[in-house]
Amino acid sequence: SQQGEEDPQALSIQEGENATMNCSYKTSINNLQWYRQNSGRGLVHLILIRSNEREKHSGRLRVTLDTSKKSSSLLITASRAADTASYFCAYSGNTPLVFGKGTRLSVIA
Amino acid sequence: DTAVSQTPKYLVTQMGNDKSIKCEQNLGHDTMYWYKQDSKKFLKIMFSYNNKELIINETVPNRFSPKSPDKAHLNLHINSLELGDSAVYFCASSETRSNQPQHFGDGTRLSIL
Repeated sequence: SQQGEEDPQALSIQEGENATMNCSYKTSINNLQWYRQNSGRGLVHLILIRSNEREKHSGRLRVTLDTSKKSSSLLITASRAADTASYFCAYSGNTPLVFGKGTRLSVIA
Repeated sequence: DTAVSQTPKYLVTQMGNDKSIKCEQNLGHDTMYWYKQDSKKFLKIMFSYNNKELIINETVPNRFSPKSPDKAHLNLHINSLELGDSAVYFCASSETRSNQPQHFGDGTRLSIL
C-alpha cells in the first residue's frame, strides 16, 4: 500500500502548548500537503510544501520535509481549543493524492 | 458562499436500493473527485474527472457510477447498495489535476440498514 502513516494516531495537549505530528510516505513526491478535518466536516487544506523545499511557515503552522527520510512534520504552536481536529498529510508523485491515516489532536482548555 | 457543496448530507436507506449523491463546485476548477472515508477515517480516492472526462477510476465496484454533466458538477450514483457501502463520501475539486490543493465538501454520510 502507498498509504502514508501519521504518528501519533492521537495527541492530547493543554491549550498554549505546541503540537507536533509526523508523516511518513513511501514514494517519490512532487509535493506534500497537510489538511485539517473538524468533526462532521470536510477536509480543509492548510499548507503545501514542494519536494525541493525543506521548511515552510503559515501563521502558527510550521511544516518540514525531509525527502531523504521520506518524512514530514507539522508543528502547531501555541495551540488553541479550536485546533482540536484530525490532521492528515497527503502526498503526490505521479499519482493522485494519497492521504495518511490522520492524527487526532485534542486541545484541552 | 459554499465552494464545494454536496447533497444530501445524510442518506439512510435499505440494502439493495439505488441512490445518488450530487456535488457542485463554484470555484471554476477543472478537476473534481469522489472519496470514500471509512469508520477509521481512512480516505480513499474513488474517481476523478477533469473537464468532464474521467481520468481516475480506482478499484471501485461497477455499482458505483460517476457522471459529470459539466465541469462544475460531479454526481455519484450507487446501485444495489450493500452494507459495506456505509461510509462518508466526500466530493472535492482542484484547479488542475492530481497534486494541487483540493477543496472538499462537507461529506454525505451514507448508512445502509
